[in-house]
Amino acid sequence: DARVTQTPRHKVTEMGQEVTMRCQPILGHNTVFWYRQTMMQGLELLAYFRNRAPLDDSGMPKDRFSAEMPDATLATLKIQPSEPRDSAVYFCASGLETYEQYFGPGTRLTVT
Amino acid sequence: GNSVTQMEGPVTLSEEAFLTINCTYTATGYPSLFWYVQYPGEGLQLLLKATKADDKGSNKGFEATYRKETTSFHLEKGSVQVSDSAVYFCALGSGNTGKLIFGQGTTLQVKP
Repeated sequence: DARVTQTPRHKVTEMGQEVTMRCQPILGHNTVFWYRQTMMQGLELLAYFRNRAPLDDSGMPKDRFSAEMPDATLATLKIQPSEPRDSAVYFCASGLETYEQYFGPGTRLTVT
Repeated sequence: GNSVTQMEGPVTLSEEAFLTINCTYTATGYPSLFWYVQYPGEGLQLLLKATKADDKGSNKGFEATYRKETTSFHLEKGSVQVSDSAVYFCALGSGNTGKLIFGQGTTLQVKP
């Protein structure tokens, strides 16, 4: 049963530290999405890639966030420096060139 | 622009009650429509979909019909169970981006 995996599942860090979240999309999927979920804002699309190329990162604060796909099996989301307002659950999802997205279990980030 | 509006929650029902969660959309062209479900502590999962007018998506006892005349895609289930307690998201996909526009989510709580 193919699944999207994310690491770490939980991360607690202090303000100002760098945070890196990793995602392994389902093998063969060519589209990868990063979302952020909070109680206040709900589910927000941060960035997405197709065939490893960034298509849209307009939802991402550019000064501190960066997203990359070093290869087809790994997507990363980095925050540097982190701030308390970045505390949220970050989801990765993958899919083919359709709208059926498969979500990972998420990384719960707490910035103190 | 494209948008999705869901009824506000939380929705609280007794076991075996009938469920309706309203969803309306605004879109140009002919979008595909989806319902995703998020169980506590997990990522979103695709529940059902419909890709053209009058299509009915169904899964696990849930149904939704794509109504172009009323721009709606309401989710229904005849008899809910405690295990259906979750957050339900209506979403639309339009164009060829693979990107989904999500509603704000509706929390369903089913009591025994």
